[in-house]
Amino acid sequence: QKEVEQNSGPLSVPEGAIASLNCTYSDRVSQSFFWYRQYSGKSPELIMSIYSNGDKEDGRFTAQLNKASQYVSLLIRDSQPSDSATYLCAVPNAGKSTFGDGTTLTVKP
Amino acid sequence: DARVTQTPRHKVTEMGQEVTMRCQPILGHNTVFWYRQTMMQGLELLAYFRNRAPLDDSGMPKDRFSAEMPDATLATLKIQPSEPRDSAVYFCASGLSDEQFFGPGTRLTVL
Repeated sequence: QKEVEQNSGPLSVPEGAIASLNCTYSDRVSQSFFWYRQYSGKSPELIMSIYSNGDKEDGRFTAQLNKASQYVSLLIRDSQPSDSATYLCAVPNAGKSTFGDGTTLTVKP
Repeated sequence: DARVTQTPRHKVTEMGQEVTMRCQPILGHNTVFWYRQTMMQGLELLAYFRNRAPLDDSGMPKDRFSAEMPDATLATLKIQPSEPRDSAVYFCASGLSDEQFFGPGTRLTVL
């Protein structure tokens, strides 16, 4: 079992829909969780962090964390074509982060 | 506008040649990471430093790769000799806590 697993995708949603990206992790002691967005040909960019159980909202983005289920998700409301990218889940441990393989999202106009 | 910089942005070389990639972390960040990304393997951690001290380089092929941080403003990743399987995008990232800020990457092609 990988330390951090994400839906392999690709995920395709119509413009205006909600995109749901999921991530599970194996290390129960993990305390913080991050979502990075990577456009094709570009570097990963940090877009969300979450530390506590529940939801954290930032504009159209909502991160959800359930430590009991070892599950973190990213919801993108009112998806736009500009949201088309690969989304990487990252779980820090002992000073370094383990990244998932990413889920590629395509938002179709 | 603080950002991580990397040079060169693109490098094409022949098998057996030495390749050196450079990274300037964001001023004040104490942790520097080197990653390699390919379509097949995703994002792999090669090595990382904290306060210039190497903490983990278990992701690097030791016989050909070396990573150093000669001062707080410069991190280097060297491949000698390079092989076609080293073709990838190499990212440097820096941070203060668990958040990481990535540079634009060096796209390496080894012929």
